[in-house]
Amino acid sequence: GESVGLHLPTLSVQEGDNSIINCAYSNSASDYFIWYKQESGKGPQFIIDIRSNMDKRQGQRVTVLLNKTVKHLSLQIAATQPGDSAVYFCAERTGANSKLTFGKGITLSVRP
Amino acid sequence: GAVVSQHPSRVICKSGTSVKIECRSLDFQATTMFWYRQFPKQSLMLMATSNEGSKATYEQGVEKDKFLINHASLTLSTLTVTSAHPEDSSFYICSAYFPGLEAFFGQGTRLTVV
Repeated sequence: GESVGLHLPTLSVQEGDNSIINCAYSNSASDYFIWYKQESGKGPQFIIDIRSNMDKRQGQRVTVLLNKTVKHLSLQIAATQPGDSAVYFCAERTGANSKLTFGKGITLSVRP
Repeated sequence: GAVVSQHPSRVICKSGTSVKIECRSLDFQATTMFWYRQFPKQSLMLMATSNEGSKATYEQGVEKDKFLINHASLTLSTLTVTSAHPEDSSFYICSAYFPGLEAFFGQGTRLTVV
């Protein structure tokens, strides 16, 4: 797979390859981060989250990495499938009751 | 898991009329709900934060008299777009939040003003 930053809004990967989606967040005080997947015409769907006291968290086929030093968040998807095609957003939150701030979003396109 | 139900999913209205969008949390009581607006190929932009029993907090640039938010109970928040105009056409999404849990999103409402 290849990684893209927010300057490249589309990531195209071959089915079966690993995908890496990157996000640079803005607030060094943010303590909670979430990756969402949004399919066309639908609301965001939770994928995985991570708190600032961790640097890695794994789910089923997905891994989130957090680098607080450079304020960088990444989502790794193993064995990418056609059903993974969607727009992916990172979101950050500062404090338990505060709002989520969303990143720009990256479109993941999976080639069969 | 927790479910947030948003209704309607699509609405077409005439310019000058008002449209109400409902957001319900089905499995838990949401102390806070958020309303977002999303234009095509863009990210979600927060419009306002509503807390049950109190006035909503609007983001800078969002007209509170145009986008009326009511959060009368712990399971229901409504967004009313008043005197809608074509530029209000967008995808509106609500999110329900309960402390200790992630934020859950509704399916969104596609508003088209003709």
